[in-house]
Amino acid sequence: DQQVKQNSPSLSVQEGRISILNCDYTNSMFDYFLWYKKYPAEGPTFLISISSIKDKNEDGRFTVFLNKSAKHLSLHIVPSQPGDSAVYFCAASARGGSNYKLTFGKGTLLTVNP
Amino acid sequence: DAGVIQSPRHEVTEMGQEVTLRCKPISGHNSLFWYRQTMMRGLELLIYFNNNVPIDDSGMPEDRFSAKMPNASFSTLKIQPSEPRDSAVYFCASSFNAGGFTDTQYFGPGTRLTVL
Repeated sequence: DQQVKQNSPSLSVQEGRISILNCDYTNSMFDYFLWYKKYPAEGPTFLISISSIKDKNEDGRFTVFLNKSAKHLSLHIVPSQPGDSAVYFCAASARGGSNYKLTFGKGTLLTVNP
Repeated sequence: DAGVIQSPRHEVTEMGQEVTLRCKPISGHNSLFWYRQTMMRGLELLIYFNNNVPIDDSGMPEDRFSAKMPNASFSTLKIQPSEPRDSAVYFCASSFNAGGFTDTQYFGPGTRLTVL
């Protein structure tokens, strides 16, 4: 039972355009969401997070949107750069309960072409 | 800070052998996590320590897996005996837990384990 789903295994965009990575979740107890980026042969690195009390969080070129009613979140990267090419993982936790436990999606490989 | 340190980075062993993976968390962090990444299951939490005490080991696949955290700066994940299906990348992560809420988890570079 996959509680966090990233249905697109891969995404390819042109440099300078917008990248939109999507994530769906099924557990209504999740109230904190994170995006991690992973380069080959490295561990995942934290990118941006959002609490369920918000519907948007922005950090430079990265914006995360949360639609609680649809149980959907998305990561927007504008403008996309070749250095953004990596695997992006969506993760969720239920901070009111087992707040330490992150449930990860399987990741989306983003390729930004020069 | 050096970040989370894991060793070895790569391990190739034969079925039936004992494997020990090591992790040094970020100094000052009091929570430590072991994850396993496979193509089939993605990233899954194996065990979580808080203040050196195992809190949740429900993700440990079976008795062949064991983890210890003898002090705040060191943890091991042991597989004995190892099997080919244990082949995966094993990540260690650490974070700071204050007041019941765990902050961002920082991951090490991982250990790629191959069991022949």
